[in-house]
Amino acid sequence: DSGVTQTPKHLITATGQRVTLRCSPRSGDLSVYWYQQSLDQGLQFLIQYYNGEERAKGNILERFSAQQFPDLHSELNLSSLELGDSALYFCASSEGATSLFYEQYFGPGTRLTVT
Amino acid sequence: AQSVAQPEDQVNVAEGNPLTVKCTYSVSGNPYLFWYVQYPNRGLQFLLKYITGDNLVKGSYGFEAEFNKSQTSFHLKKPSALVSDSALYFCAVRALERGYALNFGKGTSLLVTP
Repeated sequence: DSGVTQTPKHLITATGQRVTLRCSPRSGDLSVYWYQQSLDQGLQFLIQYYNGEERAKGNILERFSAQQFPDLHSELNLSSLELGDSALYFCASSEGATSLFYEQYFGPGTRLTVT
Repeated sequence: AQSVAQPEDQVNVAEGNPLTVKCTYSVSGNPYLFWYVQYPNRGLQFLLKYITGDNLVKGSYGFEAEFNKSQTSFHLKKPSALVSDSALYFCAVRALERGYALNFGKGTSLLVTP
């Protein structure tokens, strides 16, 4: 168990809908990263937050947004969902914001299916 | 951009034999490399990392990795494979251009047969 929790575990929704994925980092970790894993794109970095502030963006679509709250949990919001958004979404956390040395610890993921 | 490549989609090895999962990297500057393992329906688990220092890095579950600067490689190894090692293995490099996120390879599926 990595100490990173994600809810829900599974989510099935229809095209055009909006969903929210939730992540709680390991105790003491200030950085949260979101990744998307799909068969055709592999594992891709979406966005990073550090202590409530956006720190870096990856291949995140404009329809997607995230935030990190004062208690350090994070939410990833996906809107106007398309079939191609079906994927496994991972949250990871680490101690620092910009340290080269810290590994990231991954949650179990949320499997999103868009029908 | 910092990137890694995993040239093999699948590696098959018999239990008890040594295993190697290959990874090559392309970076500007010093490489910061990681290996993760993903079991079915689970998240990624950290195995080991190379930051600096010894070229042979020891990690979890008896895995180790050899960093080779001249060949720009970071291969994952284990002296004696177990059936329970069967999983998806990802090599990753620190993406310095993306807030220190990780850029992952496409993954290598390891199958260890009894």
